[in-house]
Amino acid sequence: QAGLTQPPSVSKGLGQTATLTCTGNSNNVGNQGVSWLQQHQGHPPKLLSDRSNNRPSGISERFSASRSGNTASLTIAGLQAEDEADYYCSAWDSGLTTRLFGGGTKLTVL
Amino acid sequence: QLQMQESGPGVMKPSETLSLTCTVSSGSIGAPAYYWGWIRQPPGKGLEWIGSINSGGHTFSNPSLRSRLTLSIDTSKNHFSLRLKSVTATDTAVYYCARHGELDYWGQGTLVTVSS
Repeated sequence: QAGLTQPPSVSKGLGQTATLTCTGNSNNVGNQGVSWLQQHQGHPPKLLSDRSNNRPSGISERFSASRSGNTASLTIAGLQAEDEADYYCSAWDSGLTTRLFGGGTKLTVL
Repeated sequence: QLQMQESGPGVMKPSETLSLTCTVSSGSIGAPAYYWGWIRQPPGKGLEWIGSINSGGHTFSNPSLRSRLTLSIDTSKNHFSLRLKSVTATDTAVYYCARHGELDYWGQGTLVTVSS
């Protein structure tokens, strides 16, 4: 089954900017909204950015989402220690009529 | 603030049928605009979408699970449920329920362990 591709890991320093990517195709990322989720160990995922690239109430402005073609991106500015977590993208696939998740990116803040 | 809570068996044996319920509070699952979904996460691994259901009972499901999966909804009790037949060790996971469209509300998850 086709899925969404995320780099397994990204490492950046405190205060730096990290950009996480999520690559799909024209049936999912290319024409459907992409959600971004953050998950800390032992906790359920938390929505950071919805399918319209909007942040839910309470989510820091340091998190911003965008899309170009079949690749979606989540940018995290001014990295803080608490940003160290797993990040997942998710999109509906209109061809498969299923919801897809990326494999997740583990962000390490050095 | 919508709240969601999964309930399930915890430990089960291979070949049994897994039954999970997600109870929703501070909001109605009868609202027609939303689907309500199940997602699971095997220990140490990523998220896997299981399926979703709306208040009218229309479902979508993961093709890899479809032959074993039944989703149902009871708007009078404000809960929705999952049944997964013939479980094996590969079904061991934390099972989450979530409001499906935006994945904006999640339960805390319940660990289901399949072991003989």
